[in-house]
Amino acid sequence: DAKTTQPPSMDCAEGRAANLPCNHSTISGNEYVYWYRQIHSQGPQYIIHGLKNNETNEMASLIITEDRKSSTLILPHATLRDTAVYYCIVRSPGTYKYIFGTGTRLKVLA
Amino acid sequence: SQTIHQWPATLVQPVGSPLSLECTVEGTSNPNLYWYRQAAGRGLQLLFYSVGIGQISSEVPQNLSASRPQDRQFILSSKKLLLSDSGFYLCARATETNTEAFFGQGTRLTVV
Repeated sequence: DAKTTQPPSMDCAEGRAANLPCNHSTISGNEYVYWYRQIHSQGPQYIIHGLKNNETNEMASLIITEDRKSSTLILPHATLRDTAVYYCIVRSPGTYKYIFGTGTRLKVLA
Repeated sequence: SQTIHQWPATLVQPVGSPLSLECTVEGTSNPNLYWYRQAAGRGLQLLFYSVGIGQISSEVPQNLSASRPQDRQFILSSKKLLLSDSGFYLCARATETNTEAFFGQGTRLTVV
């Protein structure tokens, strides 16, 4: 599975959009981009995933660049409850493993 | 349902004692199951995964073992705990289409 690079930490003001970047320059054609988040002392929570088109659900939007070498997770109106570590991972459906990196620690400020 | 049951939520064990953590899942049959560990302040480390009863793949050689005696049961064990086994242990299952993974609430193990 391709490796991902994320900034170790970010701050965001409450009510503003949080834009979390992820680089995955070695991603291959059949690998999807997944985002999970982990609130302190809880198990990771699935947020969204995509292959090449932008995706949106009730939690967030995922923007994938045309060359698929990077992506951005957007939380449109961040709340204090969105404070968590956000993980970007890439994997193909044919593999069994979900390999997590160190993620981005997002702190939403009041 | 993707419900995952893990227990206990917290556990304090002395060095050298045995360990058995159980995970049971609900939902479709033959799920892919996973054990992860998270040391304090660190990322998630994949320990074991299983694609069926009795089938265990180990990712990191260590003091732990895993077993899958039933389709929806995944057990993490150790014969003798080390201090370095302390951490947050998470069980996960993949969806039927293997497109997403869902995690349990974890067991926080402290070895003293």
